[in-house]
Amino acid sequence: KAGVTQTPRYLIKTRGQQVTLSCSPISGHRSVSWYQQTPGQGLQFLFEYFSETQRNKGNFPGRFSGRQFSNSRSEMNVSTLELGDSALYLCASSLASGMNGYTFGSGTRLTVV
Amino acid sequence: DQQVKQNSPSLSVQEGRISILNCDYTNSMFDYFLWYKKYPAEGPTFLISISSIKDKNEDGRFTVFLNKSAKHLSLHIVPSQPGDSAVYFCAASLANQAGTALIFGKGTTLSVSS
Repeated sequence: KAGVTQTPRYLIKTRGQQVTLSCSPISGHRSVSWYQQTPGQGLQFLFEYFSETQRNKGNFPGRFSGRQFSNSRSEMNVSTLELGDSALYLCASSLASGMNGYTFGSGTRLTVV
Repeated sequence: DQQVKQNSPSLSVQEGRISILNCDYTNSMFDYFLWYKKYPAEGPTFLISISSIKDKNEDGRFTVFLNKSAKHLSLHIVPSQPGDSAVYFCAASLANQAGTALIFGKGTTLSVSS
């Protein structure tokens, strides 16, 4: 079966712009989580969506937002981009709470210049 | 404050020997622990997990040990193979009524030489 698909794979944006990243989970998976990976901070939890509702949110500013659609696909948006937002953004999906492990996509590499 | 710590940024092991990756945590409320492996330009791949009510879980060459009193877990890979060379992340799960978040360590880069 198809894995978790993230688009685009690479993105270059300018400071102050906004960006939208997309994630298509594995078919049947209803939970989608987003993580940010940077060299200094490692993998950090952004938020989790389940059945179109945000269930959990990490410690990120309000510039970071997301949503989930009825088909479980999810998008995350970052507004007013800062240089420090340059990172690999990873999406992960699971059937429910992910106790047997989330399946991650390959990520979107965002570079802010 | 970092709740999940992997204090060794790197580990080098010879093929066939045992690799031991360590992880410490601070929050006693964590109820599940997971290990992920990550290759460059790919997302993390789930390896093995352990519930907080157990002290050992084994899956083929991979065994995870949990010492709750010490708030410490370790991943043992026996025997190590060159294909195991990757970054290994320890993660802890904090489930509540609102959902689940994985708290990751910063990773340990394992290099297995032939």
